[in-house]
Amino acid sequence: KNQVEQSPQSLIILEGKNCTLQCNYTVSPFSNLRWYKQDTGRGPVSLTIMTFSENTKSNGRYTATLDADTKQSSLHITASQLSDSASYICALAGSYQLTFGKGTKLSVIP
Amino acid sequence: ETGVTQTPRHLVMGMTNKKSLKCEQHLGHNAMYWYKQSAKKPLELMFVYSLEERVENNSVPSRFSPECPNSSHLFLHLHTLQPEDSALYLCASSQVESRLAGGSEQYFGPGTRLTVT
Repeated sequence: KNQVEQSPQSLIILEGKNCTLQCNYTVSPFSNLRWYKQDTGRGPVSLTIMTFSENTKSNGRYTATLDADTKQSSLHITASQLSDSASYICALAGSYQLTFGKGTKLSVIP
Repeated sequence: ETGVTQTPRHLVMGMTNKKSLKCEQHLGHNAMYWYKQSAKKPLELMFVYSLEERVENNSVPSRFSPECPNSSHLFLHLHTLQPEDSALYLCASSQVESRLAGGSEQYFGPGTRLTVT
């Protein structure tokens, strides 16, 4: 069973709207939680990295939150743009290696 | 060239062919990684090299053979692959190997889209 579960699997939103992507995990312990953006046909690019003691981290219009008690993280995208269309992947850096979720495919339409 | 580059970007090969994927990092990093990304599956770590020595082999079939001649280059040699090996193969590098630094930031290349016919 994958230790990092992401939801929804896919999402379509209108340009300019906000959205929130979810990541639930069972990986423990871990040193940090990461969110990546992966454009079609490209490698993942890091958006945020949070240690388990951080609650929130922002990178422009992207804001990640982490609740270590409930083992949940979310990525909030504000004022979406067409270029935000991509897969968003949650990953945990455990004591051994990175464990990835399957990703959420976001489509932003005009 | 900057960052992590991979060649070729696309590859179609038959099951009896032998081919190699190449990765080069221009970041001065000490660790390099091969990942496999199949449709609707999480990224799967295949191999890790730290200071040119293999430190991880995640039960990968022997038809995949990695090579790391120096800290900037990483190869993945392929032979007698199966159709289920069709996937996006991603290379990544980091300053130090993940386990040692509690998860050093990894920088990914654009990947090679491999199709096995």
